[in-house]
Amino acid sequence: EDQVTQSPEALRLQEGESSSLNCSYTVSGLRGLFWYRQDPGKGPEFLFTLYSAGEEKEKERLKATLTKKESFLHITAPKPEDSATYLCAQEDFGNEKLTFGTGTRLTIIP
Amino acid sequence: ETGVTQTPRHLVMGMTNKKSLKCEQHLGHNAMYWYKQSAKKPLELMFVYNFKEQTENNSVPSRFSPECPNSSHLFLHLHTLQPEDSALYLCASSPNLSQETQYFGPGTRLLVL
Repeated sequence: EDQVTQSPEALRLQEGESSSLNCSYTVSGLRGLFWYRQDPGKGPEFLFTLYSAGEEKEKERLKATLTKKESFLHITAPKPEDSATYLCAQEDFGNEKLTFGTGTRLTIIP
Repeated sequence: ETGVTQTPRHLVMGMTNKKSLKCEQHLGHNAMYWYKQSAKKPLELMFVYNFKEQTENNSVPSRFSPECPNSSHLFLHLHTLQPEDSALYLCASSPNLSQETQYFGPGTRLLVL
């Protein structure tokens, strides 16, 4: 069964303290790896899609990278407004569904 | 309004009630989705519609009944729910199926008493 595993489950950082979130996926034929941000009581907000190993995408303080087994979401010099749950999801060839991980709850302390 | 909207945002219902959730997308997309999000669990795909036709029913109990009258509107009809059905129900849409980014609505927080 396809699985997406995210770690850590929760992460608390001081403002300005850079770190990375991990997303491991099991599917062998990856069609796309998606990152979303979800604030409490709201729906997930799209951040990035990565399609092939070696690909990187950036948006403000966030950078997403992809290898053959995992994806990282690097957050540089985070601010309190970056606090949210970050979700990743995989889509594999032959299955037009997204499989989501349980997310990493990120808290940035001022 | 822009994006994907959902109503109501909050719903409390008894196990014998019948209610409906509504989703509307203003993005011109052809595919629409219902997801269930429970605490500590990954988003669970429930139903997929493409050009108003259901393409996926992810073993969802019959007490959940979807309806897609057109590509912009999606409903989830609820009847005789159980307390374990309490969750955040999310609607999403994408331009088409497959390798397309899905855009989510704000969700309906459902509590079944």
